[in-house]
Amino acid sequence: AQSVTQLGSHVSVSEGALVLLRCNYSSSVPPYLFWYVQYPNQGLQLLLKYTSAATLVKGINGFEAEFKKSETSFHLTKPSAHMSDAAEYFCAVSDPDSWGKLQFGAGTQVVVTP
Amino acid sequence: EAQVTQNPRYLITVTGKKLTVTCSQNMNHEYMSWYRQDPGLGLRQIYYSMNVEVTDKGDVPEGYKVSRKEKRNFPLILESPSPNQTSLYFCASSLSIAGADGYTFGSGTRLTVV
Repeated sequence: AQSVTQLGSHVSVSEGALVLLRCNYSSSVPPYLFWYVQYPNQGLQLLLKYTSAATLVKGINGFEAEFKKSETSFHLTKPSAHMSDAAEYFCAVSDPDSWGKLQFGAGTQVVVTP
Repeated sequence: EAQVTQNPRYLITVTGKKLTVTCSQNMNHEYMSWYRQDPGLGLRQIYYSMNVEVTDKGDVPEGYKVSRKEKRNFPLILESPSPNQTSLYFCASSLSIAGADGYTFGSGTRLTVV
């Protein structure tokens, strides 16, 4: 079964600084990979996804992620944090043989300080 | 507007009183799923459905039931709720059962069982 590890349950960044959220997965076969964002009292919104095309994936709100097969990683970055980026971020992986099931990481809460 | 609609958004109930959380999607998606979200655990899959009358257990199915009589609806039933089912619940749907599309999530149902 797939597993997803997000390093750091809480991350604090200054406004304008780089945002880096780490995600590692366990599959030996390249899966489908996703990042979701959850704002307070809302559902999850898809930020970006990797489905075996380009390894550098661009998403909404200036976020991007790079798929590195050798490191089994899919880290999320944004060059310059904005106050509106404060939210919880989830990495998820889907095994093509698992009938569409998404396995989620535990989440990383991002706090942006002025 | 394409969306997944869950009701109710908030629910407080007593132990043992049967309840149903409704979920409906208007995107003609094949795949639907229920997740629960708990702090530090991320999202865990309860049940999923690949099509009408086809459902299967996820990772944490105990104490829950589902049905898929119509393609658009996927209700979650708690026959005898207990306090350990206090959680935030999300319904999600996906166009494909292969998992490449990611999910569209509902806004969530916050359930408290006392």
